[in-house]
Amino acid sequence: DIQMTQSPSSLSASVGDRVTITCRASQRIRSYLNWYQQKPGNAPKVLIYAASSVQSGVPSRFSGSGSGTDFTLTISSLQPEDFATYYCQQSYSLPYTFGQGTKLEIK
Amino acid sequence: EAQLVESGGGLVQPGGSLRLSCAASGFTFSSYWMHWVRQTPGKGLVWVSRIKSDGSSIVYADSVKGRFTISRDNAKNTLYLQMNSLRADDTAVYYCARDLDYGGYSNFDYWGQGTLVTVSS
Repeated sequence: DIQMTQSPSSLSASVGDRVTITCRASQRIRSYLNWYQQKPGNAPKVLIYAASSVQSGVPSRFSGSGSGTDFTLTISSLQPEDFATYYCQQSYSLPYTFGQGTKLEIK
Repeated sequence: EAQLVESGGGLVQPGGSLRLSCAASGFTFSSYWMHWVRQTPGKGLVWVSRIKSDGSSIVYADSVKGRFTISRDNAKNTLYLQMNSLRADDTAVYYCARDLDYGGYSNFDYWGQGTLVTVSS
């Protein structure tokens, strides 16, 4: 199975900050990488697919980059509604594995 | 808009069985591959199983292979997960999710609200 490792596991930031979360795959996955946002009590919501494509309806402050084994999710200017947990997921091969999550908290 | 609604979760004893359902609406269910994903506080999000749009191809995670069965009824717009020989480590919130394929790049674009399965004596 492909292992997905996110860093950091948790992050404190303020409204207006620029935030970057990284995800590393244990083997090359080309651009088969998705990012999800999850708020307490809710299902995950896809933000970015194919490493850098922004899902329809997702604010433009969210962006993704990377290819191969190293990927990043960037939020250009944090808004109050962005405080949540973020997960990466590889869709290169089954089983589609997720990172352990990055909890973004208010500083 | 697309909607997925799970049901069937609950408390079951170790070794018992449970059948989860996922009712789909707002889209052509028969055109989409579907997945089950589970979530626990300790292990995060874990993919469980996938079924092709017509049910002809099925894949399971090793942890549930031989115990869980995914199926679908396209006439009823419903996805199922039959879970047998349940163990304590199957305790989780179970989500169904729709697979959206953009030129070969798969992502889970719609999820149900989740149904809690608790395996305990």
